[in-house]
Amino acid sequence: AQTVTQSQPEMSVQEAETVTLSCTYDTSESDYYLFWYKQPPSRQMILVIRQEAYKQQNATENRFSVNFQKAAKSFSLKISDSQLGDAAMYFCAYRTLDSNYQLIWGAGTKLIIKP
Amino acid sequence: DTAVSQTPKYLVTQMGNDKSIKCEQNLGHDTMYWYKQDSKKFLKIMFSYNNKELIINETVPNRFSPKSPDKAHLNLHINSLELGDSAVYFCASSQAVGISGTEAFFGQGTRLTVV
Repeated sequence: AQTVTQSQPEMSVQEAETVTLSCTYDTSESDYYLFWYKQPPSRQMILVIRQEAYKQQNATENRFSVNFQKAAKSFSLKISDSQLGDAAMYFCAYRTLDSNYQLIWGAGTKLIIKP
Repeated sequence: DTAVSQTPKYLVTQMGNDKSIKCEQNLGHDTMYWYKQDSKKFLKIMFSYNNKELIINETVPNRFSPKSPDKAHLNLHINSLELGDSAVYFCASSQAVGISGTEAFFGQGTRLTVV
């Protein structure tokens, strides 16, 4: 069974600095999707970034980028120039390509931004 | 235009009552989900429907019954509410695998409090 592990329950970073959130997953599939979602205090779940496993190039969205290591089954999120609005829970998720369309979620990492 | 909307946003009710949460998506997606997020922020899939057909039914009490009148709607009905049902419930939708943009879009969540 697929699993997603976020080993950091909480991380803190100084405003304007860079922080990396870790995510590892376990699967026997060769093709799948990986996502990072953000949940601010408003509780809305917001997609931050998406990575297709067949793409070797790491996805980037403005200040957010991933380090996708397929062999190591690692999918970390790097946030550059951290801003106060980045404070949130961050969830890593894995999506199967089978007929169940199921998302497998990590337990989340709470990111604190220090002004 | 709200992509995934669920109502109500907050729901406070007494033990033993029956309540419903409604969800609608205007994205034309084929798949809809119900998630439960507990106090530790852990997201647990409850149900998934694809084109009005149930495809995931995780181990949840049979007091929870999803209803999908059409592929744009997935409502959640809960009978005989218990204190342990207090949580945030999220509706989400996604497009079928194989189409770009396979991420899930979430509603704003319903905070259910059972007293």
